[in-house]
Amino acid sequence: QKEVEQNSGPLSVPEGAIASLNCTYSDRGSQSFFWYRQYSGKSPELIMSIYSNGDKEDGRFTAQLNKASQYVSLLIRDSQPSDSATYLCAVLDPPQLIWGAGTKLIIKP
Amino acid sequence: KAGVTQTPRYLIKTRGQQVTLSCSPISGHRSVSWYQQTPGQGLQFLFEYFSETQRNKGNFPGRFSGRQFSNSRSEMNVSTLELGDSALYLCASSLGLLETQYFGPGTRLLVL
Repeated sequence: QKEVEQNSGPLSVPEGAIASLNCTYSDRGSQSFFWYRQYSGKSPELIMSIYSNGDKEDGRFTAQLNKASQYVSLLIRDSQPSDSATYLCAVLDPPQLIWGAGTKLIIKP
Repeated sequence: KAGVTQTPRYLIKTRGQQVTLSCSPISGHRSVSWYQQTPGQGLQFLFEYFSETQRNKGNFPGRFSGRQFSNSRSEMNVSTLELGDSALYLCASSLGLLETQYFGPGTRLLVL
């Protein structure tokens, strides 16, 4: 059974600090990795995708991929209260996308 | 470019009834995936359609079915509704199979 695991949280981070969200996956054959943000009662929205080992930065967000250790992480710099949401990790393991259960992030003003 | 649209947004049904949900993908997207989301279960994959053919299916009973039309619009149907079918049903579209998915706003179904 292929799995994607995330700490369910909640993860509480002070405003302005760095929030670090982690995701591990079971299958070394996984090819593409995605982070989605989901506000309560809303649908998931794509934050970033990453395909190669290393870091990928987009504004305040940085995705980090380590295929050898089978983990992908999302760093949020200068965390804002508006970043409070559930963050979902998804891993493409053909022929399907496998989803983690999500980590609830709370940014405290 | 318009995003993924889903209709209806909210629905209340009673046990034993059936329901049909609709999804219109982003223009040019040919793949549509359906998910069920409940508070305790997270995102559960239902099925994926590409070029009017079901390409992948999750672990749901046969009461859940879907189809895709030639314009890539998709519908899913749930027959003989059960209380446990109460959930947010999400549709996601992508350019093709195995590509980045973009979600619609969802249909919230309540079964009484």
